[in-house]
Amino acid sequence: QVQLQESGPGLVKPSETLSLTCTVSGGSVSSRGYYWGWIRQPPGSGLEWIGSLSYSGNTYYNPSLKGRLTISVDTSKNQFSLKLSSVTAADTAVYYCARLRSYPGSGRHPDFWGQGTLVTVSS
Amino acid sequence: IQMTQSPSSLSAAVGDRVTITCRASQGIANALGWFQQKPEKAPKLLIYAASNLESGVPSRFSGSGSGTDFTLTISSLQPEDFATYYCQLDYNYQWTFGQGTKVEIK
Repeated sequence: QVQLQESGPGLVKPSETLSLTCTVSGGSVSSRGYYWGWIRQPPGSGLEWIGSLSYSGNTYYNPSLKGRLTISVDTSKNQFSLKLSSVTAADTAVYYCARLRSYPGSGRHPDFWGQGTLVTVSS
Repeated sequence: IQMTQSPSSLSAAVGDRVTITCRASQGIANALGWFQQKPEKAPKLLIYAASNLESGVPSRFSGSGSGTDFTLTISSLQPEDFATYYCQLDYNYQWTFGQGTKVEIK
């Protein structure tokens, strides 16, 4: 059973960089065919795709966040990370990491999720 | 591609038939999934490829549609089905969620 766990500061100051790490157990971030992604959910709002990372290290970013966003992988630690720069209060959200599995005829959807971590942007 | 989901909320009773729709701004074939999210929990995949039931999901859930218009149907609403539902697509390495539909108890 794959498990994912987000970690990182719960409070970030405006204009600073939000950094989160997702630690994967029960599976490898290098497993062929799987992608890994970050999704966020502002309090009381819907889900927003942040970006994804392929098993080979290719990255795909939400255009609305491109320019502030970096997603990277550390295969030695079986982790992938998110860095979002120049944050504002609008970046306050629960941040989820997830594994994306390929479904026939449907592309890739998250099948395993972390529990989510609340990040608040405030001075 | 933009996803427009409706309604944003609905009230229904146990045993009711519930339908939620999702419309894509351009054709996406069948590349659509449906998720259920309960409060304080991560979403759970119910349907993939528009109409295929994910393993372990009750058969009262069904999906239909292709191209631009899609539907999630719950044939007989159960107490554990009160939640928020999202459509989601994977198109050209961009993943997009609908705005969500909250299903509340009448």
